[in-house]
Amino acid sequence: AQKVTQAQTEISVVEKEDVTLDCVYETRDTTYYLFWYKQPPSGELVFLIRRNSFDEQNEISGRYSWNFQKSTSSFNFTITASQVVDSAVYFCALSEANRDDKIIFGKGTRLHILP
Amino acid sequence: DSGVTQTPKHLITATGQRVTLRCSPRSGDLSVYWYQQSLDQGLQFLIQYYNGEERAKGNILERFSAQQFPDLHSELNLSSLELGDSALYFCASSVGDLRGTDTQYFGPGTRLTVL
Repeated sequence: AQKVTQAQTEISVVEKEDVTLDCVYETRDTTYYLFWYKQPPSGELVFLIRRNSFDEQNEISGRYSWNFQKSTSSFNFTITASQVVDSAVYFCALSEANRDDKIIFGKGTRLHILP
Repeated sequence: DSGVTQTPKHLITATGQRVTLRCSPRSGDLSVYWYQQSLDQGLQFLIQYYNGEERAKGNILERFSAQQFPDLHSELNLSSLELGDSALYFCASSVGDLRGTDTQYFGPGTRLTVL
């Protein structure tokens, strides 16, 4: 079954701390795509990253980094030196190529960065 | 500003009615995606169109339909509305489809309230 689990419902950290948001997925397919999205308090959605199942290289974009591990079916997201502007709900999502690219979202992790 | 426009911003209607939500993608983007976000269901992928053709289908109800027109704008039609259809409906666009490397850009959303 296709499933995305974000076990951390809510996280609070003090500004400048590093924080990792966990994402565990379930899939039977060998070809799939993983995504992270950000939804700040203003409500808009922001696409952060897409990773396909054949690319296990970690990705770094400024203070953001992603750790994809097929062995543990995880695609975790780390924010280094967090800032108040990072406060948002973060969603992890999965799309399976053999399921017509249907996207399944996790329930999201609400991240509070405290000044 | 993402370049993706959605109209209307807010819509209040009654059960049983039919509404149309409109999305204009960024210039040059061929793909349009529709998402629904509600407190009960969370974030859900509804449907994707690429250059006028349906490309991926998610949890879209039979009462809902969508299409992408030759000028690439898209409309999401919701009929026989129920209270549970109250949600924020997002549209996104990208140059290619989900299997590519393009960024998805989201519109500000249409908030639908069914009374």
